[in-house]
Amino acid sequence: DGGITQSPKYLFRKEGQNVTLSCEQNLNHDAMYWYRQDPGQGLRLIYYSQIVNDFQKGDIAEGYSVSREKKESFPLTVTSAQKNPTAFYLCASSIDPTNEQFFGPGTRLTVL
Amino acid sequence: AQSVTQPDIHITVSEGASLELRCNYSYGATPYLFWYVQSPGQGLQLLLKYFSGDTLVQGIKGFEAEFKRSQSSFNLRKPSVHWSDAAEYFCAVVYTSGTYKYIFGTGTRLKVLA
Repeated sequence: DGGITQSPKYLFRKEGQNVTLSCEQNLNHDAMYWYRQDPGQGLRLIYYSQIVNDFQKGDIAEGYSVSREKKESFPLTVTSAQKNPTAFYLCASSIDPTNEQFFGPGTRLTVL
Repeated sequence: AQSVTQPDIHITVSEGASLELRCNYSYGATPYLFWYVQSPGQGLQLLLKYFSGDTLVQGIKGFEAEFKRSQSSFNLRKPSVHWSDAAEYFCAVVYTSGTYKYIFGTGTRLKVLA
């Protein structure tokens, strides 16, 4: 089955630690996205990538980093510089930037 | 500035009643328009989309939406709501002039009363 997967579903981190969230898709999509979701704030774009080896900052990139070394993978690192990292993180992909986005099931990150 | 507005944060309807969720977008040019649904703790799923053509769009799960250029709106409707429709609904727009920016509304949470 084609789809987009995120792991882990739940993640706990101590303050001061970096943590990497995984996102993999087998839809052969060029574009991939990372969003942060907080209650009452909808989806906020962290980073996006339209092609392998290229990515751009979204609206709230500070304290986050990404890589896009393979078409199917777009991992997100939440660094210790992110002041309030506890949130629900969603990864998505699309065949092109104007079309439907396919979402993964999300990762809930909690900083202890 | 380019934006999309969902005026209703929460809506409660009785099972079997009709539903309309509002979505308004800014800017003059016609964007591409989408409605997504999110069940608690899960990712988003596309309900329907509008690019051009017939302004009444049919989607999955019995939903439809109507694009009204004069009102800059793309409201989502369902004639008879089922308890399983309880979820959060997001309107999204992509503006196709300049860079393609995908913008999500803040969402409307639907509660269905038995």
